[in-house]
Amino acid sequence: EVQLLESGGGLVQPGGSLRLSCAASGFTFSTYAMNWVRQAPGKGLEWVSSIHGGGTNTFYSDSVKGRFAISRDNSQNTLYLQMNSLRAEDTAVYFCARKGGDSGDYYNWFDPWGQGTLVTVSS
Amino acid sequence: DIQMTQSPSTLSAFVGDRVTITCRASQSISTGVAWFQQKPGKAPKVLIYKASTLQGGVPSRFSGSGSGTEFTLTISSLQPDDFATYYCQQYNSYPVTFGQGTRLEIK
Repeated sequence: EVQLLESGGGLVQPGGSLRLSCAASGFTFSTYAMNWVRQAPGKGLEWVSSIHGGGTNTFYSDSVKGRFAISRDNSQNTLYLQMNSLRAEDTAVYFCARKGGDSGDYYNWFDPWGQGTLVTVSS
Repeated sequence: DIQMTQSPSTLSAFVGDRVTITCRASQSISTGVAWFQQKPGKAPKVLIYKASTLQGGVPSRFSGSGSGTEFTLTISSLQPDDFATYYCQQYNSYPVTFGQGTRLEIK
């Protein structure tokens, strides 16, 4: 069974940093693109970042570019999101999600998703 | 960036009704669309990908259609478990974008 388990969320002050992790199991992690999606309280889904299976190609939304960094450790089956210079508007539940369907990097629809981890940016 | 305009934002319907949700893309995206269902406090669950392919395990009352710039999700006969929020996603190109969501309510 494919499982994704996020961790690392919490309360952080504006300007602070946090690193999220997503532990994956049940599939060959290195062969799938992976993604981060967030959802602010009471709001819709917002794509944050994606990374190809090999880790060399990364993509970011304009709202986090230059502040967030996605990475992966294929030997540990773990996806990361390093979040720096955090702002109040980054407050959200952060989900990791695997590329759906067959392994690969393209046609990157999201399935399955983890349960999410809450990040609160507040003083 | 490709914008996904989803409508309606809220939909009230009875159990047994047929409902349709629409997403319009700001430029052609072939069939690179997925549809998700989300219930409060839960992660989204994929229903449809490649515009019209039903994900395994999803009831056949859900269907998707469209290509290019206009896409629809149809639920043929609403069941009590279907009252939730629905999102479209375009994955034809980065940045990936989602529609604003449709909240489906019981009338």
